[in-house]
Amino acid sequence: DADVTQTPRNRITKTGKRIMLECSQTKGHDRMYWYRQDPGLGLRLIYYSFDVKDINKGEISDGYSVSRQAQAKFSLSLESAIPNQTALYFCATSGTVKGNQPQHFGDGTRLSIL
Amino acid sequence: SQQGEEDPQALSIQEGENATMNCSYKTSINNLQWYRQNSGRGLVHLILIRSNEREKHSGRLRVTLDTSKKSSSLLITASRAADTASYFCATSTVGANSKLTFGKGITLSVRP
Repeated sequence: DADVTQTPRNRITKTGKRIMLECSQTKGHDRMYWYRQDPGLGLRLIYYSFDVKDINKGEISDGYSVSRQAQAKFSLSLESAIPNQTALYFCATSGTVKGNQPQHFGDGTRLSIL
Repeated sequence: SQQGEEDPQALSIQEGENATMNCSYKTSINNLQWYRQNSGRGLVHLILIRSNEREKHSGRLRVTLDTSKKSSSLLITASRAADTASYFCATSTVGANSKLTFGKGITLSVRP
């Protein structure tokens, strides 16, 4: 089983709909992240959380919200989806040693908003 | 904003050749990391080099870091078709508390 699991893997929806992307991990990491990947732009950080009671905005948080339901679960919501939120979304985790831990990624959710 | 910028954007080589990919960054770092992404998959961590290290090896991978030039290189020796993927550098900057900033990536194609 994958250490970092994202659901769904693919989603097509319409403008204005509310969407939730879910991420769960079995690595026991405290730190979790949400990124979006667009062609030619690399990965950009949306939100991150260092423990269950900690939520921080990343580079591009507008239009998104998150919930850290438990150490192992971190969900990303689009309250009212718009077409320019069409992208590949990744969840990642890392350990707590400050600054020097690699991140572990799920396989992504491909989201298309019509 | 992009902290790391990889060069070249795309690279095509023959199996058995070496592949060299470069990354430049702008601000002081705690560490620099290289990741690989196969088509349709998540990123996989390859190697991490700390700001006080100059060179690191892992199997066929060799990473160098020159903090005076704010640059790093990733060398893959004796490339294989299975090395075909996108490669990203990511920097953890001083004070960023484990957040990473990714470059746009390099597409490597290894021809059999």
